[in-house]
Amino acid sequence: DIVLTQSPASLAVSLGQRATISCKASQSVDYDGDSYMNWYQQKPGQPPKLLIYAASNLESGIPARFSGSGSGTDFTLNIHPVEEEDAATYYCQQSNEDPYTFGGGTKLEIK
Amino acid sequence: QIQLVQSGPELKKPGETVRISCKASGYTFTTAGMQWVQKMPGKGLKWIGWINTHSGVPKYAEDFKGRFAFSLETSASTAYLQISNLKNEDTATYFCARRGTGTNYAMDYWGQGTSVTVSS
Repeated sequence: DIVLTQSPASLAVSLGQRATISCKASQSVDYDGDSYMNWYQQKPGQPPKLLIYAASNLESGIPARFSGSGSGTDFTLNIHPVEEEDAATYYCQQSNEDPYTFGGGTKLEIK
Repeated sequence: QIQLVQSGPELKKPGETVRISCKASGYTFTTAGMQWVQKMPGKGLKWIGWINTHSGVPKYAEDFKGRFAFSLETSASTAYLQISNLKNEDTATYFCARRGTGTNYAMDYWGQGTSVTVSS
């Protein structure tokens, strides 16, 4: 199975500043020139919401302050500028190979 | 608009069976697979597997082989997750999510979640 290691496990960011979350895969999640890495946001009592797919593609309706980058085994989610409503837990997930594993999650607190 | 609506919360005893439904609307059901995810209290997300809604072929993560089973009622655009011989550690919220098309199989639409509590 592909293991996804997210860091940090939690972070506190001041309003208007940048939040950066890392996701490292135990093996490449690229195939045929495309990255199969996705990012989700989950708030308590709600289902996860897709933010970014294929490493850097913004899902429809998601604000442009969210961005994703990376390829192979190293990926990053950036949120800038951070807003109050961004307080949530963020997960990376690979969809290149069964099982489609998730990272352990990063809890974002807004200061 | 695309929606996935799941069945309500369940309270079960160890050894019982539960079946969760996920009704899709707003798209052609058989054009996108359905994935299932487990969220245990205080833990992260865990991928259970997915079912091809066109062929009916399921795929399960290793940890979920045996007691977890996917099924379909295509005429009703509904997918099901059945968990048999329930254990206390199956207490969790279960989500269905559409296997996106054109999104490198990301989960683009989610059900609201079904809480399953297993307690004697």
